[in-house]
Parts: sequence; C-alpha cells; structure tokens
Amino acid sequence: DAGITQSPRYKITETGRQVTLMCHQTWSHSYMFWYRQDLGHGLRLIYYSAAADITDKGEVPDGYVVSRSKTENFPLTLESATRSQTSVYFCASSEDRVRAGYTFGSGTRLTVV
Amino acid sequence: QQPVQSPQAVILREGEDAVINCSSSKALYSVHWYRQKHGEAPVFLMILLKGGEQKGHDKISASFNEKKQQSSLYLTASQLSYSGTYFCGTETGGFKTIFGAGTRLFVKA
Repeated sequence: DAGITQSPRYKITETGRQVTLMCHQTWSHSYMFWYRQDLGHGLRLIYYSAAADITDKGEVPDGYVVSRSKTENFPLTLESATRSQTSVYFCASSEDRVRAGYTFGSGTRLTVV
Repeated sequence: QQPVQSPQAVILREGEDAVINCSSSKALYSVHWYRQKHGEAPVFLMILLKGGEQKGHDKISASFNEKKQQSSLYLTASQLSYSGTYFCGTETGGFKTIFGAGTRLFVKA
C-alpha cells in the first residue's frame, strides 16, 4: 500500500532495553522526520534526514539513534530505554521542504516500564 | 526554539469563527499548519512561505506576517468536524520544522 507506515503500533518495553521503531514510506520522499508527542509539549523533533545517509539532530536527540541506508526507511532506536521516553512517536515524510507539508504515519505508542 | 501558540484552547458553537495565532522569536522561512484529532496523526492543512502570503482552504485560511514573525489561522463558520488540536510548525532555515504546543479547538452543536 502506498503511504507511510510505522510499526509496531503499540510497544511495551522494560527500562534499559533497546527498542527500534520502524518507519517506511513508498513515495521516495527525500525528507523524513521523527517526532515525539507528549501532553503539553506538542510535537518535538528528535532527528531528521534530508536524504539517504544524511541525518541530523533535532530538539531532543539524547538517547536516540537513527539510520537511513535506504530512502524509504528511517528506523529510530532507543539505545537503553528510560521511563521518560514513554511517548507517542510519529514518523513523517515530505517531498519538498519548501513547498510541501509533512505526511505523518499513524504513530507508535511506546510505554517503558 | 518552539513557536508560541495562542489561545491554548477555545470552545465554539457551530457557525462561529476562530483565530489561532502562532508567533516566533526567530526569523521565519515558512509556517505550516496541521490539525490533529484525538488518537490520530496530524494532518497537513497548508504551508505559507515568507513573503507575507495568505492562503485559503475552503473555510480555513491563514496569513503570514514576516515582519512580525507571526502567522494566524482563520476558521470561519466552524463545523463540528473542525474540532481537534491545531499545530503551527515553523521553519527558520535548514530542513526541520519545529512545532508549537498546540491549540485545542472544540466545536459544539
């Protein structure tokens, strides 16, 4: 199916474990983003990517790692999950940073216990 | 730096109008507007580029005042379907958009 998909939809993990959230888009958009959403904070940018093999930090990158070996995939890894990383994570993509908006995936609700 | 949205929340009756404001302390290259319904992903409404443009989208329009580093979203003759949280996102250069904390809009019959 065309679009942007995130997996898993829901995840519960324990403190200290490594977790990877997946994001896949079928449009070959150059730009991809990871945001986390917490009550009262809106959407905060974790990492973004302008193309394959080009990534950069956003507002809240600590504790997260990204990679982008292929244009269509942009996985986000929590190296050692902490309770403060409990959040809803949204992946987004855009074809043009100047004139196009972002299309968001359905989100992953992550709970760290 | 996160843009500031106001008001934080607004309650309307069907048919009433609303304005949501977004301001930044930095010079803006563009402003995005999104609507998010509970439990769903944000949905893109429109983007405005520097140059002071104004855009319309059915009964939802927006303006961008580059000098004041502000944007406003106008919702006219509100419908029940307009309920949700509205986010502005600002780009100050680079490839990233930083979002405000959101404005919760509730339209009642």
